[in-house]
Amino acid sequence: DGGITQSPKYLFRKEGQNVTLSCEQNLNHDAMYWYRQDPGQGLRLIYYSQIVNDFQKGDIAEGYSVSREKKESFPLTVTSAQKNPTAFYLCATRDGGNSPLHFGNGTRLTVT
Amino acid sequence: SQQGEEDPQALSIQEGENATMNCSYKTSINNLQWYRQNSGRGLVHLILIRSNEREKHSGRLRVTLDTSKKSSSLLITASRAADTASYFCAPILGGGANNLFFGTGTRLTVIP
Repeated sequence: DGGITQSPKYLFRKEGQNVTLSCEQNLNHDAMYWYRQDPGQGLRLIYYSQIVNDFQKGDIAEGYSVSREKKESFPLTVTSAQKNPTAFYLCATRDGGNSPLHFGNGTRLTVT
Repeated sequence: SQQGEEDPQALSIQEGENATMNCSYKTSINNLQWYRQNSGRGLVHLILIRSNEREKHSGRLRVTLDTSKKSSSLLITASRAADTASYFCAPILGGGANNLFFGTGTRLTVIP
């Protein structure tokens, strides 16, 4: 069954701790994306990757880091430098520049 | 901003009525995509309309595109309670992996 798996669904962390969100895909798509969604603000792009071992910053990359060591995986680390990390994080993949995005079901991160 | 802007921000209708959502954008596009998001879930692609198309249908969905006005509309006919969700348009601006931008969406509530 093809798809995108984000884990965990809910994540709670104390302020000052780094946390890594997982995104795995078996769609064989080259491009992968991380978005952040806050209430009433739509989706904002954090990072994206077009191929293994390469990634680019999106609009709000500060305080985040990523890696792309395998085609199937694109983990996102929310570092302690991110001033307001509590949000809903969505991972997506894409098969070509004009094709639709495929989304996972998100991870809701709460930092207290 | 290059993002699509949806209007209205929120829409509440009775089951069986039609729902119309509008999207405006600012630059030339290759195509425009509409997505749906149920609460707490990832986005799901609904329909893609190319820049040389004026209208497209998919089941109860009808999408129009007016490139001269830089606008698109999504019509859901004979709405159902299960259509309750947020709907986003995403103009696709050209080549490259970072060519898709989301607005803040229209929150549709269908009252049974």
